[in-house]
Amino acid sequence: EPEVTQTPSHQVTQMGQEVILRCVPISNHLYFYWYRQILGQKVEFLVSFYNNEISEKSEIFDDQFSVERPDGSNFTLKIRSTKLEDSAMYFCASRFFRVDNEQFFGPGTRLTVL
Amino acid sequence: DAKTTQPPSMDCAEGRAANLPCNHSTISGNEYVYWYRQIHSQGPQYIIHGLKNNETNEMASLIITEDRKSSTLILPHATLRDTAVYYCIARIVDTGNQFYFGTGTSLTVIP
Repeated sequence: EPEVTQTPSHQVTQMGQEVILRCVPISNHLYFYWYRQILGQKVEFLVSFYNNEISEKSEIFDDQFSVERPDGSNFTLKIRSTKLEDSAMYFCASRFFRVDNEQFFGPGTRLTVL
Repeated sequence: DAKTTQPPSMDCAEGRAANLPCNHSTISGNEYVYWYRQIHSQGPQYIIHGLKNNETNEMASLIITEDRKSSTLILPHATLRDTAVYYCIARIVDTGNQFYFGTGTSLTVIP
């Protein structure tokens, strides 16, 4: 069964450093998402992406964040200058085009900012 | 998207049916009810969704009341691997909307 994959599974970085989290969505999906979950808290939406542009973003997704689909398979989340409060699990998700289709989530990347 | 209300936690004996309720009394006619679960810190896993008819798949059944103000997710024979947080989400379907996850119901399956 096709699945969303994410790399790395765990990223440790120093405060102020840039990180890039990578996702490979399911191949025929057209909508892509990033969510995050701070330890012990809710899963929070960050951004959705369709047709090579951001379709929606939350207030969490400020200028420190950016997303890109550099080729036909990868979908990346970049955090330019990490803060301690960016430590969280980051989940990528993708969805086929039909409006009621479910989103499929990846296993997540645990980001630890020291 | 309509607000949903779920009990914070539930227990279920292994092998028995787990019935997880969800209240969505302000749901509108074009909002679907989705159920996801999250096992430990893994990515949320889709279970089932429906609009007004009851639905069944290989994982679970979804029973939606006739007035659509509440629903119940049924895991027919709960196993220890079903221990997870279960999220009920009411969502207007359009081209790209995100899911809003609440706090869900923490289901513990007891041996």
